[in-house]
Amino acid sequence: DTGVSQDPRHKITKRGQNVTFRCDPISEHNRLYWYRQTLGQGPEFLTYFQNEAQLEKSRLLSDRFSAERPKGSFSTLEIQRTEQGDSAMYLCASSLAPGPMGNTEAFFGQGTRLTVV
Amino acid sequence: GESVGLHLPTLSVQEGDNSIINCAYSNSASDYFIWYKQESGKGPQFIIDIRSNMDKRQGQRVTVLLNKTVKHLSLQIAATQPGDSAVYFCAETGAPGNQFYFGTGTSLTVIP
Repeated sequence: DTGVSQDPRHKITKRGQNVTFRCDPISEHNRLYWYRQTLGQGPEFLTYFQNEAQLEKSRLLSDRFSAERPKGSFSTLEIQRTEQGDSAMYLCASSLAPGPMGNTEAFFGQGTRLTVV
Repeated sequence: GESVGLHLPTLSVQEGDNSIINCAYSNSASDYFIWYKQESGKGPQFIIDIRSNMDKRQGQRVTVLLNKTVKHLSLQIAATQPGDSAVYFCAETGAPGNQFYFGTGTSLTVIP
């Protein structure tokens, strides 16, 4: 499988615990995005990277959230001191940076579903 | 962030009919638009994209129309099949490769 992979697929945690999710993008893709999706809503942007550089982070993102992409390949998203409101599907996507044609589609992984109890 | 919205939250069509899903956006600077399909429990799947310098683009059984004057985007699915049942999202961005904004989604149900 050469698509975007995310691990774990499901995570149940107690409120106050820390959780970390992993995303492995398509190998030649240099851009990597994190989104959060709650039931009945569209994905909400969290942050994105080009190679190892974090280019943008949503202003809505709590300080409890941090993402890294240390070697420009896989990325991790950590949530500290989880709250029930953090329960959601966390989606990762990857793409190529725009080329001469400008078009570049982003491919999504299957997501990690987080439940905070 | 920018506002991207969909006109109808649900749509039911008979198998074999054509489907039209609409989307409005508010950012006149948006340059790149994407339609995604999301089945239950799965991540969004890319369907088709369009740049702002185009008003129509066709794929396999799908066509995207862009009306920049009224900031409206539509997805047309020809000969809708049961496998097309899913939630469809439009997304827009100021430039390809940048972060993009999603609307709420339209749930399409195909009636056999």
